[in-house]
Order: sequence, then C-alpha cells, then structure tokens
Amino acid sequence: DGGITQSPKYLFRKEGQNVTLSCEQNLNHDAMYWYRQDPGQGLRLIYYSQIVNDFQKGDIAEGYSVSREKKESFPLTVTSAQKNPTAFYLCASSMNRGRVDTQYFGPGTRLTVL
Amino acid sequence: AQSVAQPEDQVNVAEGNPLTVKCTYSVSGNPYLFWYVQYPNRGLQFLLKYITGDNLVKGSYGFEAEFNKSQTSFHLKKPSALVSDSALYFCAVRDGGSSNTGKLIFGQGTTLQVKP
Repeated sequence: DGGITQSPKYLFRKEGQNVTLSCEQNLNHDAMYWYRQDPGQGLRLIYYSQIVNDFQKGDIAEGYSVSREKKESFPLTVTSAQKNPTAFYLCASSMNRGRVDTQYFGPGTRLTVL
Repeated sequence: AQSVAQPEDQVNVAEGNPLTVKCTYSVSGNPYLFWYVQYPNRGLQFLLKYITGDNLVKGSYGFEAEFNKSQTSFHLKKPSALVSDSALYFCAVRDGGSSNTGKLIFGQGTTLQVKP
C-alpha cells in the first residue's frame, strides 16, 4: 500500500449524516482517484483528479463530493444524498504520465451506515 | 464501450500446481491491461501490466500474464501456486484510444483458493 494512507480504517455513520474519508499520498503523484468496492461488483470510479484544484466525476458520483486543494490530499465526502453508502472505499494515485500510468492503492476505509 | 470480464468467480487449485485466472476485455483502441491482487480488508496491490511489446508479461511474486490480441484475453498465470497466493484478483483495462483520463475499468474479481 506504501505511500498512500487512508483514514479511518473503519467508519460508522448514522443515516442523514455526512462523513469525510481522508486520503493522503507522499508519492508526489499528480493524479488521485476514489473507488467504491461492493461484493461481486469490482471497483467503480467515484471521482478523479488529474491535477490540483481540478477534479471530474466518475461513473457513480451522485451523493459524493471531493476537493483537491493540495497535491497530496484528496478527501471524499459521503453525503446524506448517497442512498446506499455502506461499502469499502479505496483511494489511488498515479503519476499522470498518460495511459501507461499505474495506479497505486491505499489500504481502504470500510464505511457502515447504522 | 470498454469492458472487462472475469468469467470465473472462484478458482481452486492445489498447492504446487499451475494456476490460471482468466480475463477478457473489450476496448475500441489499443488496450492497456493490468492485474491487481487484494487480500482481505486491504487495498489493491499492483502485480503487472501490459502496454506494448512482448505478449508475455512478468510481474511480482512469480506471476505472469499472456496478452492475446486475437482472443482479447489477458490471463494471469503462475507455474506453481502457493497457499499464500489465495486472494481476490482483479483485471483492469484502460482504453488507449480514449481521451487521457487515466480511468481504469475493473472486472468483478476472481477469488483464488489454493489448498495445501
């Protein structure tokens, strides 16, 4: 997982609450990504950012928001509008050298809605 | 549209036997293909990738993968499985013909179970 940290490891949320998941990297990577993992569905892209102060929606952005104010940080907020937020959330980063980039992943945050 | 298929939910092999985890893909341009491994409650670890060149790609932990353009496949292989190889394996593809968004499309994953 090296170089990419996610916190907390486990997070419990009550319905109607917003929660923010942290992702930090010390790899000097330009690009960062957030994925959601559900059993049997692989990983689905929520948001991505190729450079500081810029980000784009992925395939399942509804109910989520992000910011990219610093190169090393890409926090994800799960809002109350996300209807089924219980999942494993993975952050990744890459150098953004183009299509040959390799994405490296953090250890993940497991979010459970009570 | 880009897609990746891993046709087997689970693969069972005996320790010491060769293993294969299958992956097929569909892209409009040249494919860039990746394999990752995930241990329980952990992030994904990069194993190997195919960008261009030799169809047989060697990666971490003794794994290799064979790119077959005519069959649009990128199967993961290892000559001799270890119990510690038991994990969830993901194949992913990036479309070389699409805009440079860095987006990866993942298969649904294959659980590899290696028995002693």
